Amino acid sequence: EDKVVQSPLSLVVHEGDTVTLNCSYEVTNFRSLLWYKQEKKAPTFLFMLTSSGIEKKSGRLSSILDKKELFSILNITATQTGDSAVYLCAVEPGGGEYGNKLVFGAGTILRVKS
Amino acid sequence: EAGVAQSPRYKIIEKRQSVAFWCNPISGHATLYWYQQILGQGPKLLIQFQNNGVVDDSQLPKDRFSAERLKGVDSTLKIQPAKLEDSAVYLCASSPNFMGQGDTGELFFGEGSRLTVL
Repeated sequence: EDKVVQSPLSLVVHEGDTVTLNCSYEVTNFRSLLWYKQEKKAPTFLFMLTSSGIEKKSGRLSSILDKKELFSILNITATQTGDSAVYLCAVEPGGGEYGNKLVFGAGTILRVKS
Repeated sequence: EAGVAQSPRYKIIEKRQSVAFWCNPISGHATLYWYQQILGQGPKLLIQFQNNGVVDDSQLPKDRFSAERLKGVDSTLKIQPAKLEDSAVYLCASSPNFMGQGDTGELFFGEGSRLTVL
């Protein structure tokens, strides 16, 4: 069974801190790994990773994938209160005719205190 | 570009009653998904449509849940009769991928319909 495990479940940091969120997975025929940010509404897309070792970066957020060890990390530097959210990791299994059937982890709840 | 539209945003019902949720995906998106997100958990796929056909409904509790996408555009998810454990946010998502193109990429989510079953 395809599985995604995120850690930690939650954390509280102060503004300006750097955080690292972890995502490990077991999936049949891996196609991609995606990170989403979920505030009190729809999950919004952050990154899609398909290749090992290539860092994706967007402002203060970055992510990297290790397909050998089956994990990904999401880094947030110089955190701001607006970064407070649930961060979801999802994996897209391959092999099917249609893509995008995502398997989600339970998420990491991040709270940034001012 | 208009996003994924869902309604109602909130619904409170008593157990054994029925409820229906509606979703209108982004125009031109062939694939539509319904996810169930229980508090404290990640979204779980209930059903995936490609145009008006069902691709995957392996995790849909078919004794009480049903979904349709008759014209390959908007979709309705129904629960009848509802149970306490159905309390969750029901997220609709769409993506533009087409058969054979094998496109991987993001899903575009609606804001969800929050169901409370008392």
